[in-house]
Amino acid sequence: AQKVTQAQTEISVVEKEDVTLDCVYETRDTTYYLFWYKQPPSGELVFLIRRNSFDEQNEISGRYSWNFQKSTSSFNFTITASQVVDSAVYFCALSEEWGAQKLVFGQGTRLTINP
Amino acid sequence: NAGVTQTPKFQVLKTGQSMTLQCAQDMNHEYMSWYRQDPGMGLRLIHYSVGAGITDQGEVPNGYNVSRSTTEDFPLRLLSAAPSQTSVYFCASRKNWGEAFFGQGTRLTVV
Repeated sequence: AQKVTQAQTEISVVEKEDVTLDCVYETRDTTYYLFWYKQPPSGELVFLIRRNSFDEQNEISGRYSWNFQKSTSSFNFTITASQVVDSAVYFCALSEEWGAQKLVFGQGTRLTINP
Repeated sequence: NAGVTQTPKFQVLKTGQSMTLQCAQDMNHEYMSWYRQDPGMGLRLIHYSVGAGITDQGEVPNGYNVSRSTTEDFPLRLLSAAPSQTSVYFCASRKNWGEAFFGQGTRLTVV
């Protein structure tokens, strides 16, 4: 069965620090998809990235970067030079190819960036 | 671009009352789902559908019913509301293992 674990419940850093959010997943499928979503204080869910299991290249988008390692079943998210606007709850999610497209989420990490 | 429209945004129910949360999408997505979000629990899957006429249970289906008569609509029914169903509910749709698009959420309080 698919499972996502985000062990860090809350993280608090000072603005401009780098911060990494951990995501560990479990799946028996060889083909699967990993996602990160952001939920700002306003409550909506904002899509950040999608990664399939055959693409292990790290990705960078501005101050955001993602490190996908199949060997450790991890898909970690790093924010460089954090800003107050990055304060949000971040969710990692997993969808298996043969899982009827179910999208399973981790518990989320609440990130607070202090000025 | 409407995307996923979820109504109502807020609702207060008395224990034992029933209600339907509405969800509609205009992107012709086959897959739709309902989640509930509780503090420290993340988003938990209630029910999902891979197409009109096909539904299945997720992680926390008890106390909820769904149906999918059209591609566009996927209502969630609370048959007899209980305080344990106080939560924020999100509807989502997606296409072919792509990103999920979410509604704005419904904050439900059962007293």
